[in-house]
Amino acid sequence: QKEVEQNSGPLSVPEGAIASLNCTYSDRGSQSFFWYRQYSGKSPELIMSIYSNGDKEDGRFTAQLNKASQYVSLLIRDSQPSDSATYLCAVNDNYGQNFVFGPGTRLSVLP
Amino acid sequence: DAGVIQSPRHEVTEMGQEVTLRCKPISGHDYLFWYRQTMMRGLELLIYFNNNVPIDDSGMPEDRFSAKMPNASFSTLKIQPSEPRDSAVYFCASRDYYGYTFGSGTRLTVV
Repeated sequence: QKEVEQNSGPLSVPEGAIASLNCTYSDRGSQSFFWYRQYSGKSPELIMSIYSNGDKEDGRFTAQLNKASQYVSLLIRDSQPSDSATYLCAVNDNYGQNFVFGPGTRLSVLP
Repeated sequence: DAGVIQSPRHEVTEMGQEVTLRCKPISGHDYLFWYRQTMMRGLELLIYFNNNVPIDDSGMPEDRFSAKMPNASFSTLKIQPSEPRDSAVYFCASRDYYGYTFGSGTRLTVV
């Protein structure tokens, strides 16, 4: 059973701080990793993808991947109240066809 | 592109009635997925198609659920008969190499 785990939260950070979201996965053969943001009552939207070990930066967002330890993280710098949402980690399975989603971490950025 | 289009946005039906949810994927995306999201269980994969062919329907909860994809631009998810425990948000998503794009979802309430 392929699993993706996340701390359900809520994770509360003050405005301007760094929010750190973590995700672990069980399938060592996983190749692709994604972070989705879901606002309440809305559909998930892709914010970051990462395929290689190390860091990938896009604006205020940095994704970090460590395949040896089977974890992927998302850092949000200078957090804003508009970042308050549920963040879903998704992992592409070994066959590359299906994404397995974690349960999501609810982030609350306090003004 | 208009994105993934789902209809209806909201559906309220009585227990025992048939419900049909509809989805139009993004043109050129060769994978289509049906998900169900609830607070208790998060985002659950129900079934997915590749090039209109069902690949994995192991997530379909029981025989009351069925899905079809008669062509590359249209898919349906049918529940017959519907039960109150089917109440959830149902998302359709299509994907290319870069990730999933979700539709806006159908909020189903079975009373």
